[in-house]
Amino acid sequence: DSGVTQTPKHLITATGQRVTLRCSPRSGDLSVYWYQQSLDQGLQFLIQYYNGEERAKGNILERFSAQQFPDLHSELNLSSLELGDSALYFCASSASDNYEQYFGPGTRLTVT
Amino acid sequence: AQTVTQSQPEMSVQEAETVTLSCTYDTSENNYYLFWYKQPPSRQMILVIRQEAYKQQNATENRFSVNFQKAAKSFSLKISDSQLGDTAMYFCARGGFQKLVFGTGTRLLVSP
Repeated sequence: DSGVTQTPKHLITATGQRVTLRCSPRSGDLSVYWYQQSLDQGLQFLIQYYNGEERAKGNILERFSAQQFPDLHSELNLSSLELGDSALYFCASSASDNYEQYFGPGTRLTVT
Repeated sequence: AQTVTQSQPEMSVQEAETVTLSCTYDTSENNYYLFWYKQPPSRQMILVIRQEAYKQQNATENRFSVNFQKAAKSFSLKISDSQLGDTAMYFCARGGFQKLVFGTGTRLLVSP
């Protein structure tokens, strides 16, 4: 158990819908990262937050957004969903930028 | 582009034998970290081992060790006394400031 929690575990929704994925980092970790793992793309970095502020952006679509709240949990919002958004979405946390990242169990999103 | 390359898509090894997974990377940073993550069928991302680039000594964690060649930008993982539970996808990742950049993974099958 990494100490990072993600909900829900599974999500099935239709195209055009909007969903919110939630992540709670390990106790004391200030950084939260979101990654997308799809079959043909491997693990792709989406976005990082550090202590409530956006720190870095990767290959995140404009339809996707995230935020980190004062209690340090984070949410990833995915809207206008397309079939290609089906993937495993991981949240990871670390104490700071240069430390190892610990991953949550992931949320499996299926868009039908 | 700063990439991580794993040239072995799949490898097989018998129980109790030793296997080495290869990884090369590219970076323009001086301070960075390298990681190996394991992803078993449960899809959980588990940190196996980390190596700080400024350290010359190769990292070791029980049966797992690395061969870090900084000049060659090479970072291989050696698994000794392989066990059935080592069957998983193994990802090499480079970290520095902010995101992790992952390789495409090596699928390792340990057979009895």
